[in-house]
Parts: sequence; C-alpha cells; structure tokens
Amino acid sequence: QVVLTQSPSASASLGASVKLTCTLSSGHSRYAIAWHQQQPGKGPRYLMKLNSDGSHIKGDGIPDRFSGSSSGAERYLTISSLQSEDEADYYCQTWGTGIHVFGAGTKVTVL
Amino acid sequence: EVQLLESGGGLVQPGRSLRLSCAGSGYTFDDYAMHWVRQAPGKGLEWVSGISWNSDTINYADSVKGRFTISRDNVKNSLYLQMNSLKSEDTALYYCTKAATLGSLSPIDYWGQGTLVTVSS
Repeated sequence: QVVLTQSPSASASLGASVKLTCTLSSGHSRYAIAWHQQQPGKGPRYLMKLNSDGSHIKGDGIPDRFSGSSSGAERYLTISSLQSEDEADYYCQTWGTGIHVFGAGTKVTVL
Repeated sequence: EVQLLESGGGLVQPGRSLRLSCAGSGYTFDDYAMHWVRQAPGKGLEWVSGISWNSDTINYADSVKGRFTISRDNVKNSLYLQMNSLKSEDTALYYCTKAATLGSLSPIDYWGQGTLVTVSS
C-alpha cells in the first residue's frame, strides 16, 4: 500500500515563500495527490490536485499564491507571499486502488 | 455552493453502535463519489470509507473493516456511516467529504464541518 511522507513542520517569515514536500513510497512515483489545508480549529479545505507531471487543478477560490509541482516521487506545495492565515496544517492525500491515504501533515508556522 | 452537513455524532459506550448521516446540497449528489474521513483529537486525518456514485464500489480502511458500513441514498441526497462494535480508538471528529468525480479514484474536493463521536464508558 502506498505511504505518503511529510515533514512535521516548516516555517517562514511573513511575505516569504515556503515549499512543502510530500513523498510517495517506492513503486508509486506516478501517483497523483491532492493537497488540503486545515487552519486551527477549522475543517480541512481542498487546495489542489497535483499530477506526476506537475500539472495541477486548484479548488474553488484558492489564491494564486498556492502552486504545485512534481519531481519523481516528490510532490510539492509552494506558498508564496505568506500571510498570517496560511499558518495551518497541510496534508497530502492519494487514492491508489480506491484505498485513500493521507500523509501525517506538515504544520506551517508564519514567523 | 456545495454544503455537506453531518449529524448523528455523540457519546456512546464501547461495543455499542452509532449511525452518522450527511446531507449534501449545492451540487448534483448522485454525480459524485463520497467518503468519510476522521480525525482523532490532536491527530492527523484518517480516511475511513468511500462509496462510488451508484454504490457499486465501496472501500474501507482496515481499521474499520467488518465493523463500519457506508451507504448512500441518492434520492435523499444523503450519505451514511453505520458504526458497530465501537472502540475507544474510534473517538474522532468524522468528516463527510465529496469526491471530485463519480468514482473512487479521485481526490476529495469538499469537506463538511464534522460531527464528533466519543466512545467512552
């Protein structure tokens, strides 16, 4: 079964950029993933679907500051011009053979 | 506007049952697969179960297989999760979610606000 690996935490200054990584386990490098954001005390929100070729489809109302890219088994979420409301947990998700899997999440702190 | 409204959560004793419901609105309910995802207090997201648009394809996480049953009623625009033989480790906020397509091989693109299930004696 596919496993998604995320770093536990990341931080960057207000107005700067941060790049989060989600790594697919061996043998699953071509899988698409999705990124979700969960702000403190709120339910998650879908950000985008990210394909292995780096193409991505964002959810409704997701700002241009959020972008995705891919390299091999790694899927990235870049947040540019960081704002205070971007301080949140970010989860990646994939769906393989119909069994869905989430990464453990990355907590982003805006300094 | 897509809205997913969960209900049915509460406090239940270990070994007992509970049924969660989710009402979908703002989109054509039977055009999309649906999923339940849960989040234990202070923990990350855990996918629980998914069902295709016509209920032909159903999948469960190993942690709930044999105890939970997902179903849907496309006439009532509703999704359900029957939870039997509940354990303390089932304590979590349960989210109703909508998939991006009619099948199970697509991401979740909308989330409800969740309903809290607490399993305790």
